[in-house]
Amino acid sequence: EAQVTQNPRYLITVTGKKLTVTCSQNMNHEYMSWYRQDPGLGLRQIYYSMNVEVTDKGDVPEGYKVSRKEKRNFPLILESPSPNQTSLYFCASSSLSPTGNYGYTFGSGTRLTVV
Amino acid sequence: GNSVTQMEGPVTLSEEAFLTINCTYTATGYPSLFWYVQYPGEGLQLLLKATKADDKGSNKGFEATYRKETTSFHLEKGSVQVSDSAVYFCALYNFNKFYFGSGTKLNVKP
Repeated sequence: EAQVTQNPRYLITVTGKKLTVTCSQNMNHEYMSWYRQDPGLGLRQIYYSMNVEVTDKGDVPEGYKVSRKEKRNFPLILESPSPNQTSLYFCASSSLSPTGNYGYTFGSGTRLTVV
Repeated sequence: GNSVTQMEGPVTLSEEAFLTINCTYTATGYPSLFWYVQYPGEGLQLLLKATKADDKGSNKGFEATYRKETTSFHLEKGSVQVSDSAVYFCALYNFNKFYFGSGTKLNVKP
């Protein structure tokens, strides 16, 4: 089954304790991205990647890191989480056409609480 | 710059009513346009898309037409069902990035 898999689904952590949220896709997609979803703010892009070893900042990259060492994986790293990073996080992937993008497949989300 | 504006919700309709959710965009160049749907507790799912002006995207009875002259991509469905209750997001893709609207919650009552 074609899918984007995020882990964990739920995570409660303490301020300053480094964590990684994993994301893996099995569709050989070039494009991968991370979003956070907050009430009243919709979806905001954190980072995206056009292909292996190619990453770029989205709209809210502060406090986050990513890497794209393999095409299928795109982990999100919070080096020193803070309470304002409490949010619902989504990973998404898509393939690229010569004229644009075919549209995202989203993961099921990771609900992160930082206390 | 690039941005998407959606009508604020929630939108409450009775079953079999006609649905319109307005979406307008600002963009340079030639963006692709999308509608996504999010059911409670789930990730977003691609509902339909259009890649150039005058294209009509359609899926599961939903339709939207890419109108460059009015910079709009309104979502319509002729007869909604209770199972259509969800949050709907309009989005555009331009210069390697996606831009999402804030989402419109639809409640359909039996």
